[in-house]
Amino acid sequence: QKEVEQNSGPLSVPEGAIASLNCTYSDRVSQSFFWYRQYSGKSPELIMSIYSNGDKEDGRFTAQLNKASQYVSLLIRDSQPSDSATYLCAGSMDTGRRALTFGSGTRLQVQP
Amino acid sequence: SAVISQKPSRDICQRGTSLTIQCQVDSQVTMMFWYRQQPGQSLTLIATANQGSEATYESGFVIDKFPISRPNLTFSTLTVSNMSPEDSSIYLCSVGDGLSNQPQHFGDGTRLSIL
Repeated sequence: QKEVEQNSGPLSVPEGAIASLNCTYSDRVSQSFFWYRQYSGKSPELIMSIYSNGDKEDGRFTAQLNKASQYVSLLIRDSQPSDSATYLCAGSMDTGRRALTFGSGTRLQVQP
Repeated sequence: SAVISQKPSRDICQRGTSLTIQCQVDSQVTMMFWYRQQPGQSLTLIATANQGSEATYESGFVIDKFPISRPNLTFSTLTVSNMSPEDSSIYLCSVGDGLSNQPQHFGDGTRLSIL
């Protein structure tokens, strides 16, 4: 099992809809999770961090962490064509070095 | 968050040559991380670089191929040695916030193509 797993997509949603991106993780990943957005040809940009069980909201973005089920999700409300990108889920490994392990990414397409 | 500058932003290199990538941060940081992103793939950690000590390499990456320097708390270099087409990737430098080194932010990356 990979440490962090994501559905590669593409996930296609109409403009204005809610996009739901999911990620599962293994026991080797600690409880710090991050969502990055990566546009084609660009480097990853941090959009959400979540460290504790439950929901965390920031504007149109909501991150959800469920430790019992070992999954973390990202909801994007009122999706816009500019949200079309690859979304990378990352977790911190329990190695003490604080490096991140990344999922393979989910490509989101928001249709105008 | 810290501002991270990488040089060069891109390069095209010949097989068998080496290239050194520089990463400069506008504030002092404990750890700097080097990642690789192969075409169409996600990010893979190459090594973690602490100032004043040897870099720690991940499985599958060795110092002879990817030597790293960390001369001070704001600068690091990654060298890709004896390059082959399989080394064509984006190489990314990353630093974390505060004592926990999290979350992490990335430089713009170096896009490397090997002919």
